[in-house]
Amino acid sequence: DTGVSQNPRHKITKRGQNVTFRCDPISEHNRLYWYRQTLGQGPEFLTYFQNEAQLEKSRLLSDRFSAERPKGSFSTLEIQRTEQGDSAMYLCASSLTGASRGEQFFGPGTRLTVL
Amino acid sequence: GNSVTQMEGPVTLSEEAFLTINCTYTATGYPSLFWYVQYPGEGLQLLLKATKADDKGSNKGFEATYRKETTSFHLEKGSVQVSDSAVYFCARLRDDKIIFGKGTRLHILP
Repeated sequence: DTGVSQNPRHKITKRGQNVTFRCDPISEHNRLYWYRQTLGQGPEFLTYFQNEAQLEKSRLLSDRFSAERPKGSFSTLEIQRTEQGDSAMYLCASSLTGASRGEQFFGPGTRLTVL
Repeated sequence: GNSVTQMEGPVTLSEEAFLTINCTYTATGYPSLFWYVQYPGEGLQLLLKATKADDKGSNKGFEATYRKETTSFHLEKGSVQVSDSAVYFCARLRDDKIIFGKGTRLHILP
């Protein structure tokens, strides 16, 4: 399977703990995006990378959130001191600059539950 | 505010019925427009797209036409199937990011 993969698929944690998610994009894609989807809502943009450079961060991304893409391939999203309001589906997507006018390919998501 | 507005669900139809899910957008210029679908237990999949005014995107019997006059991108299907039951998201591209509507849950009854 050469699509976008995310790990873990599910994560249950206690409030105050740190969690880290991983995303592996489609191999030739230079852009990687993180979105968050809460119940009954559409996904909301969090941040994105072009190669290893983080180009934009949403206001939704508080100081407790950090994302990296150190070698321009996979990316990690870390949430420190988790809160119950962080419970959501975290989606990763990738794309190729200039191809298909913005089409992004999504992974299956990591569902986070903070108790 | 949200620059993509779609009709609220859930929408419940009988098999073989005609489907319309309305979507309107606000934008300067002519952004790419998309419909994504999320089947139960699965990730988001691109259903169709249109990149300029008057384009028609189509896939799996679904169609949507980019209407700049009405800033709309309504999703239609002539005859729905039980397997079309899913959540449908209208979306637009803005500054390299995808802006999604809230989604419309569709139930198709056999």
